[in-house]
Amino acid sequence: GAGVSQSPRYKVAKRGQDVALRCDPISGHVSLFWYQQALGQGPEFLTYFQNEAQLDKSGLPSDRFFAERPEGSVSTLKIQRTQQEDSAVYLCASSLVTGPYEQYFGPGTRLTVT
Amino acid sequence: GIQVEQSPPDLILQEGANSTLRCNFSDSVNNLQWFHQNPWGQLINLFYIPSGTKQNGRLSATTVATERYSLLYISSSQTTDSGVYFCAGGPGAGSYQLTFGKGTKLSVIP
Repeated sequence: GAGVSQSPRYKVAKRGQDVALRCDPISGHVSLFWYQQALGQGPEFLTYFQNEAQLDKSGLPSDRFFAERPEGSVSTLKIQRTQQEDSAVYLCASSLVTGPYEQYFGPGTRLTVT
Repeated sequence: GIQVEQSPPDLILQEGANSTLRCNFSDSVNNLQWFHQNPWGQLINLFYIPSGTKQNGRLSATTVATERYSLLYISSSQTTDSGVYFCAGGPGAGSYQLTFGKGTKLSVIP
């Protein structure tokens, strides 16, 4: 594809609901990253996949956050029992694994928990 | 982990003016990138610059890896340059997550 795509672009959830956010990386990009961006801050790392393997999930803020990439392309970030502090923009990025390692970002999903 | 400090945090320019944005890193970084986040939130890639100097139109960037800093130069600024500029770097020479600074918010006024 032309770029990284994410859906939905906006999501409003009631506190306690589960949400699923989708990321379609650039075709051929083996590496996939999820970041969380709070208002007025820079993005912060959540988790990293190389193909279908989740190599680093050290940035996930709690066990309510779960990510998967079962076939090594599309990835889903799931948040269970959403809380107000989960409100943020969730960004997905992809890159080559063999270099150059430039990351390209999707437009993000803005999650609002009410 | 790596700490990234960007300066200045806010910058207001008259259209046509030049500016320099700076990014300091607490440790050696690779995969250093500069981004422009537009008002709709999209992160737009400006430069991938682990070292050296690159130019693209009115923008140029220089990274001095041995001194752990990078500079972004904007010349003849335009109102469309407004937004937030982020630098980010990864810890190793490979595919690693990026650590971002807090950004520089640029406002260019006519």
